[in-house]
Amino acid sequence: NAGVTQTPKFQVLKTGQSMTLQCAQDMNHEYMSWYRQDPGMGLRLIHYSVGAGITDQGEVPNGYNVSRSTTEDFPLRLLSAAPSQTSVYFCASSRLGGQGDIQYFGAGTRLSVL
Amino acid sequence: TQLLEQSPQFLSIQEGENLTVYCNSSSVFSSLQWYRQEPGEGPVLLVTVVTGGEVKKLKRLTFQFGDARKDSSLHITAAQPGDTGLYLCAGARSDYKLSFGAGTTVTVRA
Repeated sequence: NAGVTQTPKFQVLKTGQSMTLQCAQDMNHEYMSWYRQDPGMGLRLIHYSVGAGITDQGEVPNGYNVSRSTTEDFPLRLLSAAPSQTSVYFCASSRLGGQGDIQYFGAGTRLSVL
Repeated sequence: TQLLEQSPQFLSIQEGENLTVYCNSSSVFSSLQWYRQEPGEGPVLLVTVVTGGEVKKLKRLTFQFGDARKDSSLHITAAQPGDTGLYLCAGARSDYKLSFGAGTTVTVRA
């Protein structure tokens, strides 16, 4: 019953460093997405994918890259971290069967950029 | 600018009282979802409403989707401390993007 697994749970970076946030799901879901959650702003969509090899931008894509080489994995890359990227990041997955499909969220990665 | 506006932002009530959280937008959504999030965890889906005017009940929680599919409300009857959490609404559009409201933090005091 793994569902959506995110690693690491916590990370501290210095400005300019790069890192990859990992996300894996074992439910064979076509749709995967990344959100960031900041106080008072809810969840904002960064990037999403409707299947392996297909990615697209969400509301706040700048400073982030994604790729989807397999159905299971959807890593999020920060190429040069900035303090403005301090946030809690959530990965989610769902089927693409129709509107209103359940989004399953991971437990989140708490990132601080100093 | 949030596509979905939630109100109130914070709500603190006594156990046994009722509460209502509102989710409003100028956009039309194909469906609207309500999530509950506990500290340190990801959001968990409570309900999805699809049809304009739809009302769904989940024990003491009642969810309503507006006739024009632009707004929704969540009503909790006889709130309990276990209802404490962050409640988020999210609207689904045909482009697979899900837009979230900023959330309502509900605290139920024993």
